[in-house]
Amino acid sequence: EAGVTQFPSHSVIEKGQTVTLRCDPISGHDNLYWYRRVMGKEIKFLLHFVKESKQDESGMPNNRFLAERTGGTYSTLKVQPAELEDSGVYFCASRRTSGANEQFFGPGTRLTVL
Amino acid sequence: GESVGLHLPTLSVQEGDNSIINCAYSNSASDYFIWYKQESGKGPQFIIDIRSNMDKRQGQRVTVLLNKTVKHLSLQIAATQPGDSAVYFCAENGGRLGSGTYKYIFGTGTRLKVLA
Repeated sequence: EAGVTQFPSHSVIEKGQTVTLRCDPISGHDNLYWYRRVMGKEIKFLLHFVKESKQDESGMPNNRFLAERTGGTYSTLKVQPAELEDSGVYFCASRRTSGANEQFFGPGTRLTVL
Repeated sequence: GESVGLHLPTLSVQEGDNSIINCAYSNSASDYFIWYKQESGKGPQFIIDIRSNMDKRQGQRVTVLLNKTVKHLSLQIAATQPGDSAVYFCAENGGRLGSGTYKYIFGTGTRLKVLA
């Protein structure tokens, strides 16, 4: 089966601009997660979707970040306006329905805010 | 807040030797732990997991040990190969027990270098 895909692989924007990251989970996976790793730090949880509903968004850093998963398939993560500290690698992961623990990660989107 | 950390940022191992990567966690209530491997330019790849009701679990060339008394997790790789060179992350389930959330709390990672 195809793995989790993310687009774009790299994005370089200026402070104050808007960027939208996309994640396509493995087909049939109801659970979708966003994580990010900022320079030199650990990978941190941002939020969790179950189908189109936000199950847990406790890791979202502030209201400049907006995640959506309309239709319960792919998800987008928009940063508006971007700040320098938003630079890092944003990972998406998906998991099957309940009873399955493993999260499958995508290759990540490297975001650089100048 | 609670976090998962790693003792060694870089580990160099001779090819063919066994590797041991260690991890300490702080949440004694965590019920699930995972090891991921991340190669350059790729996302984390699942290696092995273990539930808190187990002390040891074996996979192909890998073994995970869980010591709940001291809140310590380790990953053992037998007969380390050049392809094992990567960054290894331990993670714990940070979701509320029984919630099914499975949001992971990651450590900072250990880089494993395999020497020829």
